[in-house]
Amino acid sequence: SQQGEEDPQALSIQEGENATMNCSYKTSINNLQWYRQNSGRGLVHLILIRSNEREKHSGRLRVTLDTSKKSSSLLITASRAADTASYFCATGQRTGFQKLVFGTGTRLLVSP
Amino acid sequence: SAVISQKPSRDICQRGTSLTIQCQVDSQVTMMFWYRQQPGQSLTLIATANQGSEATYESGFVIDKFPISRPNLTFSTLTVSNMSPEDSSIYLCSVGPGTGNYNEQFFGPGTRLTVL
Repeated sequence: SQQGEEDPQALSIQEGENATMNCSYKTSINNLQWYRQNSGRGLVHLILIRSNEREKHSGRLRVTLDTSKKSSSLLITASRAADTASYFCATGQRTGFQKLVFGTGTRLLVSP
Repeated sequence: SAVISQKPSRDICQRGTSLTIQCQVDSQVTMMFWYRQQPGQSLTLIATANQGSEATYESGFVIDKFPISRPNLTFSTLTVSNMSPEDSSIYLCSVGPGTGNYNEQFFGPGTRLTVL
């Protein structure tokens, strides 16, 4: 399977703390994306990082990409209760047919 | 970004029946995708639906079980046929920009299906 793996599977923190989630994948990629899913609803796109980029920021989000290790991390700083959700990484392959392959996801719980 | 709606939002069905899920986009898009998310699991791509051509199915998914229509650039349907309890999942449609090297996708709210 090409599906990526994320760790931890579940993460529980207090408001104000930082949350770090990691994603590993198996094949060469064109880009890597992070999505958030609240309570089994639709996914919301958070950030995209290209294979030639190493780090990207968006608000309280920081994403890193290490293509030599086939891994990425998502850091959420100063977390809030509203950040409680499942977070998925997804990779876009190098082939012309650009489908996404999703990782296993991390369930984040931020307690007030 | 595209705004996507799905109908129904949820349904409870009897085994052996079929359910058709609709996906409507507020703008014309080239590529639409259908995913399945089994309870507590990640998303698995079922098929890609391009307007004017047959849907392309991923390994493990077949047209007889999941027929897809794509009559125009803003609409698609996925039918889950001859359902069994194993088909209980969230079904999501998404759309992509369809061009270029980067394929950020926008997702509908999902259809939560329970098969008894």
